[in-house]
Amino acid sequence: DVKVTQSSRYLVKRTGEKVFLECVQDMDHENMFWYRQDPGLGLRLIYFSYDVKMKEKGDIPEGYSVSREKKERFSLILESASTNQTSMYLCASSLAVPYEQYFGPGTRLTVT
Amino acid sequence: DQQVKQNSPSLSVQEGRISILNCDYTNSMFDYFLWYKKYPAEGPTFLISISSIKDKNEDGRFTVFLNKSAKHLSLHIVPSQPGDSAVYFCAAKKNMDSNYQLIWGAGTKLIIKP
Repeated sequence: DVKVTQSSRYLVKRTGEKVFLECVQDMDHENMFWYRQDPGLGLRLIYFSYDVKMKEKGDIPEGYSVSREKKERFSLILESASTNQTSMYLCASSLAVPYEQYFGPGTRLTVT
Repeated sequence: DQQVKQNSPSLSVQEGRISILNCDYTNSMFDYFLWYKKYPAEGPTFLISISSIKDKNEDGRFTVFLNKSAKHLSLHIVPSQPGDSAVYFCAAKKNMDSNYQLIWGAGTKLIIKP
């Protein structure tokens, strides 16, 4: 069974704080993804990584950065949190083929 | 520009009846489609997929139909059960996309009434 874990289920941060969200997968997947989910907007891709130290911007990378130093771990960083980054953050991983992505439980981030 | 559209934000179905969730896409380069189910406060879980070379794929109570000419796919759940109440997302992958990104719809909330 693929397991994707995220460091926190709920997080409350203040505007301007630096925020780290961590994701770990245990199935040796090459690809890892960070999404945010907002009502009515579905899942929007922030960043993804197809290999260690490799990353590519998704649809909404502004205000975010990522780090992948080890294959199993993919971190999302909010350099200076803002209230419009209040959202549900979802991490996923996948093999190259098949294309199914496996998700973690999500982190509900509130920025006040 | 929404390439994958789920036009019904919500759908209410009686327990035991058929649930039909719809998804339209605009990009003819999509070659693989997936359905995911999401409960509140959990991550999405993979449900069923279909390749563009097929027009139907079945797995137990779940069947996905693909109509390439209409750029439309649908998920049928028969019979619907209370545990099927969730948000359902449709996703698509572009042919020749080496990065294996999925393009997601906005989701449809399915409510199964007892």
